[in-house]
Amino acid sequence: QSVLTQPPSVSGAPGQRVTISCTGSSSNIGAGYHVHWYQQLPGTAPKLLIYGNSNRPSGVPDRFSGSKSGTSASLAITGLQAEDEADYYCQSYDSSLSGYVFGTGTKVTVL
Amino acid sequence: EVQLVESGGGLVKPGGSLRVSCVASGFTLSNAWMNWVRQAPGKGLEWVGRLKSETDGGTTDYAAPVKGRFTISRDDSKTTMYLQMNSLKTEDTAVYYCTTISGGSCYYWGQGTLVTVSS
Repeated sequence: QSVLTQPPSVSGAPGQRVTISCTGSSSNIGAGYHVHWYQQLPGTAPKLLIYGNSNRPSGVPDRFSGSKSGTSASLAITGLQAEDEADYYCQSYDSSLSGYVFGTGTKVTVL
Repeated sequence: EVQLVESGGGLVKPGGSLRVSCVASGFTLSNAWMNWVRQAPGKGLEWVGRLKSETDGGTTDYAAPVKGRFTISRDDSKTTMYLQMNSLKTEDTAVYYCTTISGGSCYYWGQGTLVTVSS
């Protein structure tokens, strides 16, 4: 059972901006632990997209950005492209569970 | 270049055991924090357990659903991390990924190995 809640799906037309929320609690995001985001293309392993709330690994386009506030975090995709159609997951650490936790996952559809 | 390659998945009966492996290259395994993460068919990602670096004690932590049944270990000479799974249940059916940990994130991922628990 995931302790980080994401919307099941979001969609947008090519070129549009979409955002994905990740809602946690005072034992994870609200406790100050970093939030990380992953992209999982169909049939492939997840790939790190954003680390440390808002940092992009080398090679990740700057169309992807992350932010965090209070007990929530968000991933924004600007200039949506067909290749962005994938599942996206947030992740953090939970002190009450003493372990890492993932979000419920969001499917992004490009219309 | 960092590479992680999992192997050892397969079909096992409920109550059985299986060991999956993760061969690491491009970095020193003993200096790294490592994770196992799983994904049941059609479902989301679930953290399984963590192995700290030798310098940080080499200790392990596990998610509640697998604690007491799964064990993570490392063979530095073989640059391999293992996940020993005992008393397997049907709900353990999943693709198992090994990942490196950096700043709390799962930085590099392997391609995964499928474990199916079924009679």
